[in-house]
Amino acid sequence: ELKVEQNPLFLSMQEGKNYTIYCNYSTTSDRLYWYRQDPGKSLESLFVLLSNGAVKQEGRLMASLDTKARLSTLHITAAVHDLSATYFCAVSNTGNQFYFGTGTSLTVIP
Amino acid sequence: NAGVTQTPKFQVLKTGQSMTLQCAQDMNHNSMYWYRQDPGMGLRLIYYSASEGTTDKGEVPNGYNVSRLNKREFSLRLESAAPSQTSVYFCASRVPDGNEKLFFGSGTQLSVL
Repeated sequence: ELKVEQNPLFLSMQEGKNYTIYCNYSTTSDRLYWYRQDPGKSLESLFVLLSNGAVKQEGRLMASLDTKARLSTLHITAAVHDLSATYFCAVSNTGNQFYFGTGTSLTVIP
Repeated sequence: NAGVTQTPKFQVLKTGQSMTLQCAQDMNHNSMYWYRQDPGMGLRLIYYSASEGTTDKGEVPNGYNVSRLNKREFSLRLESAAPSQTSVYFCASRVPDGNEKLFFGSGTQLSVL
């Protein structure tokens, strides 16, 4: 079974600061996803990373993938309050299953 | 465009009662999924359906059954609810666009007393 680990689980950061969320997975996978969930809401797709070295950026968020290290990072630049949410990474195998990390709850403090 | 529609949004059951969670998507997706979300555990796959007429177990299928009624609808049934099934349930469908990402419904919050 594919295992996905995220850290940290909780992150409190000041506005304007930078930070990185890490996502490790246990076996070879060809796709890595990042999702955002606001409190009481559903999950919204942020990034899809399809190959080693892939980098995607949207606003203050940048995601990267190192398939050799089985590691993806979500980097937050100059955090703002609107980025407060829970962030999940997920990995899919060559079949149909998607495995999710436990999530990182991010709080941005003014 | 409704996307993925789940009903009900909230439900309270007593132990031993049964119920069916409904999910429908209008995006012509082949694959559909049921997840449960518990604090500190992320999302765990209960069942999925790769196509109409097929279903497969995920990580935590015990206590649940599913039906892929047609391409649009994928229901999740709790035959005899237990307090351990208190959770938030999400239905999702997979976007067959090469990225293959999941598109989620709004969730069902279920409490079993």
